[in-house]
Amino acid sequence: DAGITQSPRHKVTETGTPVTLRCHQTENHRYMYWYRQDPGHGLRLIHYSYGVKDTDKGEVSDGYSVSRSKTEDFLLTLESATSSQTSVYFCAISNRVTGELFFGEGSRLTVL
Amino acid sequence: DAKTTQPNSMESNEEEPVHLPCNHSTISGTDYIHWYRQLPSQGPEYVIHGLTSNVNNRMASLAIAEDRKSSTLILHRATLRDAAVYYCILRDVSGTYKYIFGTGTRLKVLA
Repeated sequence: DAGITQSPRHKVTETGTPVTLRCHQTENHRYMYWYRQDPGHGLRLIHYSYGVKDTDKGEVSDGYSVSRSKTEDFLLTLESATSSQTSVYFCAISNRVTGELFFGEGSRLTVL
Repeated sequence: DAKTTQPNSMESNEEEPVHLPCNHSTISGTDYIHWYRQLPSQGPEYVIHGLTSNVNNRMASLAIAEDRKSSTLILHRATLRDAAVYYCILRDVSGTYKYIFGTGTRLKVLA
């Protein structure tokens, strides 16, 4: 299994509070991704990173920010959580040579 | 971003072959075709990918149309463990390396 872990795995928070989800990899892959998954929408790309301090927006980036200060960590921050951000969040890393995506186990976030 | 179109759901009997179609009429010459599947309560996992030629691995086969505007994932003998959502996506290698997923095909395998 690819060395990718997400934390926390489960979180319940209140509207208006900041939340940070962490994705940690031990594979030294350059590309990292954050997705959210909601019923009826499949997986939607929030942000992705193509190197340290290099990030870009995905399909649904409003309300989210990311940071990548070192290769192994990609942080997703909700500055002020809203109920519409209740979702399951998946981190993924990409092997640039083969193109395979490896996903973490997901982080379930509930915003009350 | 190139887009893929898949049927929402399909059914198959156990031990029979399954052909999962995907249309990608706007594919560019540098896009690889990837397939992933997501089992219940898990993150997606890689199944197979290809560029122009048909591909085989231990999990499945990928048949790519000659014009590359469509592809088919073939599971040779469906098992109950193959019940999952299957995603066909295009990997953009021309610069952004984004992976855009659609809603996929939910495969139901009947015993």
